[in-house]
Amino acid sequence: GAVVSQHPSRVICKSGTSVKIECRSLDFQATTMFWYRQFPKKSLMLMATSNEGSKATYEQGVEKDKFLINHASLTLSTLTVTSAHPEDSSFYICSARDPRRLNGGVAKNIQYFGAGTRLSVL
Amino acid sequence: QKEVEQNSGPLSVPEGAIASLNCTYSDRGSQSFFWYRQYSGKSPELIMSIYSNGDKEDGRFTAQLNKASQYVSLLIRDSQPSDSATYLCAVNLPTNAGKSTFGDGTTLTVKP
Repeated sequence: GAVVSQHPSRVICKSGTSVKIECRSLDFQATTMFWYRQFPKKSLMLMATSNEGSKATYEQGVEKDKFLINHASLTLSTLTVTSAHPEDSSFYICSARDPRRLNGGVAKNIQYFGAGTRLSVL
Repeated sequence: QKEVEQNSGPLSVPEGAIASLNCTYSDRGSQSFFWYRQYSGKSPELIMSIYSNGDKEDGRFTAQLNKASQYVSLLIRDSQPSDSATYLCAVNLPTNAGKSTFGDGTTLTVKP
């Protein structure tokens, strides 16, 4: 399957620090990537859709000034958690949407996930 | 009604049995359907994709799609303890422009 690389895998930082997480699509050019967060034993929560060359689309309730997303190339999206606080501690996961098509022209539209970043803010 | 619904479980089956996971979706126009497996503390991993009505088999896994009834299921044959995980159903709803909408997941435990 396709590979999406995400790093760092784990970050421990002090309150007030900004943390940058990178997500790279290694097998295909991803015009669209997604950022999720997940609390223990809870469902995936979509934070935002990252669009190459344009502004990200944030889900309701997600602060765009707090969670800065940049998608400057077709293979890289970054999420920066600005001025992190303990309540931002969570598991952050990116995914990239495969734009390639099956034989017959149907869009695959498969989302491949990175390994995730576990953020702990002290 | 949620756009993608799964039984939350937990579902428990003995080793060697067939595990059956079900998912229903709201939009009849949906075209792409996926099953992901998520181990505790890890990110989701794609295990099956299905685009047309019928069955699709891959090893011990079979995905079944019925667009008329708006459900997609995953069967795991000869279940193993290593299959114990949360299984996420994802559907690309036409209203979401190619973005997958995920169910909340069904937690499966396979007991030795």
